Amino acid sequence: TQLLEQSPQFLSIQEGENLTVYCNSSSVFSSLQWYRQEPGEGPVLLVTVVTGGEVKKLKRLTFQFGDARKDSSLHITAAQPGDTGLYLCAGAPGNQFYFGTGTSLTVIP
Amino acid sequence: NAGVMQNPRHLVRRRGQEARLRCSPMKGHSHVYWYRQLPEEGLKFMVYLQKENIIDESGMPKERFSAEFPKEGPSILRIQQVVRGDSAAYFCASSPPGQGLEQFFGPGTRLTVL
Repeated sequence: TQLLEQSPQFLSIQEGENLTVYCNSSSVFSSLQWYRQEPGEGPVLLVTVVTGGEVKKLKRLTFQFGDARKDSSLHITAAQPGDTGLYLCAGAPGNQFYFGTGTSLTVIP
Repeated sequence: NAGVMQNPRHLVRRRGQEARLRCSPMKGHSHVYWYRQLPEEGLKFMVYLQKENIIDESGMPKERFSAEFPKEGPSILRIQQVVRGDSAAYFCASSPPGQGLEQFFGPGTRLTVL
């Protein structure tokens, strides 16, 4: 059973397009994190969202935490080839940290 | 401030040998987590340790796998009698005391079992 489901699993878009990635769960989280992982490297933390309904912006990336704190989304505006990577959401309803299934994004120049 | 360090970055073992993976957390971090990642899959939690204590090992296989985080020195993930199915990328992450929300990852060790 996967605690955090991400969609879509794969996404290939042209440079300049916008996209949204989703992270959903039936469990409530006190916080959720988003990471980006490039091939051959470890995940790098992008943002932590804590409050239900919270919106955080990181340049062209906008992160939202659902009101019920069960889901989150990542929106990228005007995607660049440098945005290519595996995007992972993660959270810890208890002691253990769970990662989502991941969205593999490819931005084509 | 150096990040999380893992070594070796690549490790090749034959079936039946032992694999030892090392992780040095960020300075000031006392919590260490180990994860396994198979190709095209997400990260699977294995074990959560604090200095000299295993806090949660619910993700560890019952046999052949063990982990420690001694008072001095790096955390070690040990796999005995490796099998081909152990081939994967193993990542270590650390977090500061009292802040388990955010974890900082090392570059990983890629284990290949021949």
